[in-house]
Amino acid sequence: DTEVTQTPKHLVMGMTNKKSLKCEQHMGHRAMYWYKQKAKKPPELMFVYSYEKLSINESVPSRFSPECPNSSLLNLHLHALQPEDSALYLCASSQTWSSGREQFFGPGTRLTVL
Amino acid sequence: KQEVTQIPAALSVPEGENLVLNCSFTDSAIYNLQWFRQDPGKGLTSLLLIQSSQREQTSGRLNASLDKSSGRSTLYIAASQPGDSATYLCAVRRDYGGSQGNLIFGKGTKLSVKP
Repeated sequence: DTEVTQTPKHLVMGMTNKKSLKCEQHMGHRAMYWYKQKAKKPPELMFVYSYEKLSINESVPSRFSPECPNSSLLNLHLHALQPEDSALYLCASSQTWSSGREQFFGPGTRLTVL
Repeated sequence: KQEVTQIPAALSVPEGENLVLNCSFTDSAIYNLQWFRQDPGKGLTSLLLIQSSQREQTSGRLNASLDKSSGRSTLYIAASQPGDSATYLCAVRRDYGGSQGNLIFGKGTKLSVKP
């Protein structure tokens, strides 16, 4: 099973809302990632969790708050977003950060901020 | 700074043709290179991973080659089919002499295979 699942598939939120994106994998991977992808652009790394600890934060605004409750789950909490935050949010996982193995991506959550 | 370029940006071919997608990177100090496929509005599907010590990888009708010294990789698709229509992204992982960097993506090649 090489599946990474993400919920919800679509999310529309106002600038004052609080919402969360969820990502799950059952491949035993110990590295999990959040990427942001704007239309017609490549994915951009936001966060890396390695063994449930945040190891990389690519200078992401604090209105995005990641959380890794356990080795299979990764959340992205959203608060006071801006319309320019509308994008496809992709979760990925790999065996470990340093293994050099493939990253597997989920189907993404399409976020629209009104 | 590592930069990844994919040429062409878009490609349209008739069904059955063999084709090559190109990826170039500016810093040859890479740990590996990964090719992905992305359908519109969807996530990325991993196609092939080539380690820096490898020259090529094959999976079905796909063959990816890597020439690290010249900073190039190609993805060869044999006997293309309409179902191959998608955007193809390459991404390199930088080698910092023992530690690894993030995946750096190219902007992709949008492939359209006409029936």
